[in-house]
Amino acid sequence: EITVTQSPATLSVSPGERATLSCTASQSVNTNLAWYQQKPGQAPRLFIYGASTRATDIPARFSGSGSGTEFTLTISGLQSEDFAVYHCQQYNNPPLTFGQGTKVEIK
Amino acid sequence: QVQLQESGPGLVKPSQTLSLTCTVSGGSISSSDHYWSWIRQHRGKGLEWIGYIHHGGSTYYNPSLKSRVTMSVDMSKSQFSLKLSSVTAADTATYYCAREVGFGSGSPSPDCWGQGVLVTVSS
Repeated sequence: EITVTQSPATLSVSPGERATLSCTASQSVNTNLAWYQQKPGQAPRLFIYGASTRATDIPARFSGSGSGTEFTLTISGLQSEDFAVYHCQQYNNPPLTFGQGTKVEIK
Repeated sequence: QVQLQESGPGLVKPSQTLSLTCTVSGGSISSSDHYWSWIRQHRGKGLEWIGYIHHGGSTYYNPSLKSRVTMSVDMSKSQFSLKLSSVTAADTATYYCAREVGFGSGSPSPDCWGQGVLVTVSS
């Protein structure tokens, strides 16, 4: 089973600033990595797949990068609706595994 | 726009079997391109993938739960189901159903989720 680790656990950012979230896999997952946004009381929503491809209707201020074991989600110009928990998940090999999540909170 | 909705008891006694159903609307459960999965989230924790089923009957269960999990599909009702046996308090979680698709490489992965249902295991 591939272990996925996210850092930091919590990121405090001011509106309008940039947020950089990290995700590390215990072995190469190529670019088979997704990012999900989850707000309180809601289901996760797919934001990025293939490490860098935005899902339908996801704004361009969200960008994903990386391959192999190291991945980054960057949110440029944070808006109020972006404050949430972000989960990364590998789908290179089953079982699918998720990181513990990074909470992006208002500074 | 496909929608998924979980249903089932919110309270299950220890040692019993947790049973949940997911109803799919706005899309075909018999699409060969899609797999149907269950994922759970312990309160305040990360997400744990339980497994998937394809309408043709193929399944993949997380090895950590494999001995207790059974999934099935009822195409006539556009539903798929999860059974988790011998539950304990550690199985208390919000359970999500999801549709999985292929993104061009790797395994299928969730692209659309139900709202989730909280299941508590307690006597």
